[in-house]
Amino acid sequence: GDSVTQMEGPVTLSEEAFLTINCTYTATGYPSLFWYVQYPGEGLQLLLKATKADDKGSNKGFEATYRKETTSFHLEKGSVQVSDSAVYFCALSRFMNSGYSTLTFGKGTMLLVSP
Amino acid sequence: EPEVTQTPSHQVTQMGQEVILRCVPISNHLYFYWYRQILGQKVEFLVSFYNNEISEKSEIFDDQFSVERPDGSNFTLKIRSTKLEDSAMYFCASSEAHKEAFFGQGTRLTVV
Repeated sequence: GDSVTQMEGPVTLSEEAFLTINCTYTATGYPSLFWYVQYPGEGLQLLLKATKADDKGSNKGFEATYRKETTSFHLEKGSVQVSDSAVYFCALSRFMNSGYSTLTFGKGTMLLVSP
Repeated sequence: EPEVTQTPSHQVTQMGQEVILRCVPISNHLYFYWYRQILGQKVEFLVSFYNNEISEKSEIFDDQFSVERPDGSNFTLKIRSTKLEDSAMYFCASSEAHKEAFFGQGTRLTVV
């Protein structure tokens, strides 16, 4: 079945450092890929997405590229801020013909950014 | 910006009791979902719901669980007889057809 593996956390960085959170997936066919973020005390928010190979999703300075050859969707940001401290979830989605989808999540990676 | 809202934010219940978790999906969305996250573990799919019936459910969604759309705005998850291992964060989500899901803030269920 489908699965998503992401790097263990916490990832601890100083403000303005470069961020990479690794994510790899196992799936048949061509799933869509997502990064969701959970800020303390809040729900899951969609951060970015990519729906086909070589697509790059981007939002709020974060980027991730759908790499089919390496089955990866690594999250990057050039300069993190304290406000980026959160838990980041990589996920893949299967969209069914009838229109609904099912998400398979990774375990989540906590990011802690210090001033 | 439209959002998915869940109530309550935290529910404490005694083992064996029934609980109902409530959700108001985004108004023009037709597809509804429940996911759960046991502390320290992955977010897991429970069930999807469309056109007043279950589209798909996971192995976790056994006979103790049920979902309902009792009116035009609410979507509920009922756990008939709670167990300690049902303690988790439960997330409701909704989507348009073939689009990404939007999640609520979650209900933390604690079974004691």
